[in-house]
Amino acid sequence: AQTVTQSQPEMSVQEAETVTLSCTYDTSESDYYLFWYKQPPSRQMILVIRQEAYKQQNATENRFSVNFQKAAKSFSLKISDSQLGDAAMYFCAYRSSGTYKYIFGTGTRLKVLA
Amino acid sequence: DAGVIQSPRHEVTEMGQEVTLRCKPISGHNSLFWYRQTMMRGLELLIYFNNNVPIDDSGMPEDRFSAKMPNASFSTLKIQPSEPRDSAVYFCASSRPRGAIKDTQYFGPGTRLTVL
Repeated sequence: AQTVTQSQPEMSVQEAETVTLSCTYDTSESDYYLFWYKQPPSRQMILVIRQEAYKQQNATENRFSVNFQKAAKSFSLKISDSQLGDAAMYFCAYRSSGTYKYIFGTGTRLKVLA
Repeated sequence: DAGVIQSPRHEVTEMGQEVTLRCKPISGHNSLFWYRQTMMRGLELLIYFNNNVPIDDSGMPEDRFSAKMPNASFSTLKIQPSEPRDSAVYFCASSRPRGAIKDTQYFGPGTRLTVL
């Protein structure tokens, strides 16, 4: 069975600095998708970024980028120029291409210090 | 485009009462998911609909929970009778047809349910 592990329950970053959130996963499949979702205090689950496993190029969305290491089964999220509005819980998620089910990690709470 | 709409945003009820949560998926999305989020168990998939048909309800905790999707633009999750351990945030999410590129799930704002 696939699993997703976020080993950092909480992280802090100074405003305008860069922070990296870790995510590892375990799967025997070769075709899958990976996601990072942000959950601010409003509780809304917001898609931050997604990565197709067949793409070698790391996904980027403005200040958010990933470091996708398929062989190592690692999918970290880098937030550059951190802003106060980035403070939230961040969830890593995995989905096999052959199923609709997401497997979520336990989340990392990010604090942004002014 | 409007996102996934859920109502109510907050619900406080007493044990034994019936609770109905509502969801309107994004127009054109034919897959709908109900999740429950708690501190102890994280995000759990309760049920998945495709083209208004329940495909997987293995995550529904027990017979007190039921879900319906009478049409492509509306779904309900009902708890009857409710219990304090049902207190959680309930999310609805929708996605485009499978096979489409990047059929990502888009979440609604959630309903915070408190059962006293």
